[in-house]
Amino acid sequence: AQSVAQPEDQVNVAEGNPLTVKCTYSVSGNPYLFWYVQYPNRGLQFLLKYITGDNLVKGSYGFEAEFNKSQTSFHLKKPSALVSDSALYFCAVRERNTGFQKLVFGTGTRLLVSP
Amino acid sequence: SAVISQKPSRDICQRGTSLTIQCQVDSQVTMMFWYRQQPGQSLTLIATANQGSEATYESGFVIDKFPISRPNLTFSTLTVSNMSPEDSSIYLCSAGGGIDTGELFFGEGSRLTVL
Repeated sequence: AQSVAQPEDQVNVAEGNPLTVKCTYSVSGNPYLFWYVQYPNRGLQFLLKYITGDNLVKGSYGFEAEFNKSQTSFHLKKPSALVSDSALYFCAVRERNTGFQKLVFGTGTRLLVSP
Repeated sequence: SAVISQKPSRDICQRGTSLTIQCQVDSQVTMMFWYRQQPGQSLTLIATANQGSEATYESGFVIDKFPISRPNLTFSTLTVSNMSPEDSSIYLCSAGGGIDTGELFFGEGSRLTVL
């Protein structure tokens, strides 16, 4: 069965510093990987995805993520954090050949960016 | 992308009552799903809403408790029946256009509080 682990409940970073939010996954085949962000009292917003091709994926709001097959990781990164990036971030995975769009989500990581 | 509208956005309900949540997508989509996000938790898939047929429920969720309809490609409803305080959650509708696109889009969620 597919699963996602986000080992950090919370990540704290100062504005202007780089940030990393970690995600590791487990699937039986090749994965589709996603990052979503949730602001308070809002739904989930899609940030980026890895389907195939370059391991470094660029997404919305200056975020990027690196797919590492050997480490089964898909960490979210941003070179310079903004206070407005403070939110809850979810990593999600689905198996490539399920023929189905059901996603499995991680437990989420709260990002706090201090001024 | 797809824009997803949910209503109600929030409600306070009495124990033993039922509430129906509506989800409207601004374009025809292949797949629609209902997720639950309990306080401080990640997203858990309740069911896949199938157009013109019975929904496909995940383990731990049953039709009697969470009846779902999907009469066409852009609309679905989720009913939370005979509610108890344990049903207090955010319920999220999501939709996707097809297998290849991969990502799902989410509504703003419906926050239910059961007293």
